[in-house]
Amino acid sequence: ETGVTQTPRHLVMGMTNKKSLKCEQHLGHNAMYWYKQSAKKPLELMFVYNFKEQTENNSVPSRFSPECPNSSHLFLHLHTLQPEDSALYLCASSRTTGMGGYTFGSGTRLTVV
Amino acid sequence: DAKTTQPPSMDCAEGRAANLPCNHSTISGNEYVYWYRQIHSQGPQYIIHGLKNNETNEMASLIITEDRKSSTLILPHATLRDTAVYYCIVSDPTDSWGKLQFGAGTQVVVTP
Repeated sequence: ETGVTQTPRHLVMGMTNKKSLKCEQHLGHNAMYWYKQSAKKPLELMFVYNFKEQTENNSVPSRFSPECPNSSHLFLHLHTLQPEDSALYLCASSRTTGMGGYTFGSGTRLTVV
Repeated sequence: DAKTTQPPSMDCAEGRAANLPCNHSTISGNEYVYWYRQIHSQGPQYIIHGLKNNETNEMASLIITEDRKSSTLILPHATLRDTAVYYCIVSDPTDSWGKLQFGAGTQVVVTP
């Protein structure tokens, strides 16, 4: 347990479904991140939130929609995904200055069928 | 754009020290060197970071050359549980909240 909790751990969804990934941290961090890790590829940064405000969208398709209602919770809403979106989705958090490293969750393994 | 260069893989004998090299020849003055590792199918785990001086914690030691163009992560007594992909990352924590860009890393396999 790292202090960053992601649910669900595994998700299988059809291309026409709508689902959401949840991330929660109670470490007192103010910055939260979504990363995508496809098979045999490096982690790709998707979104950055600082104090609930989105500060970066790394050219992510609109079928991925993030939401950050407060500094402790981060969601990734998914709709009309493609099979190539199957990947491990990782959430991380850090203090606002970014010092001291990120804390990552265990990820959600998403399979789009 | 990769700012660091790491060997793709390394083997290490259990109980021996593992020395993981990283080149970051274009590092700027404000950029720190971070090391993370990722055990299979888990999220990355922070190991250590440094700016200029060598650093040590309960997990590892970080040796940064005087010109800061390269560094070495040292796992003093490798165990089988240290088998993982190790990532060396340079990042300026004052720039865009110090977001981390991961490369391919080094796959370290610790053998009995």
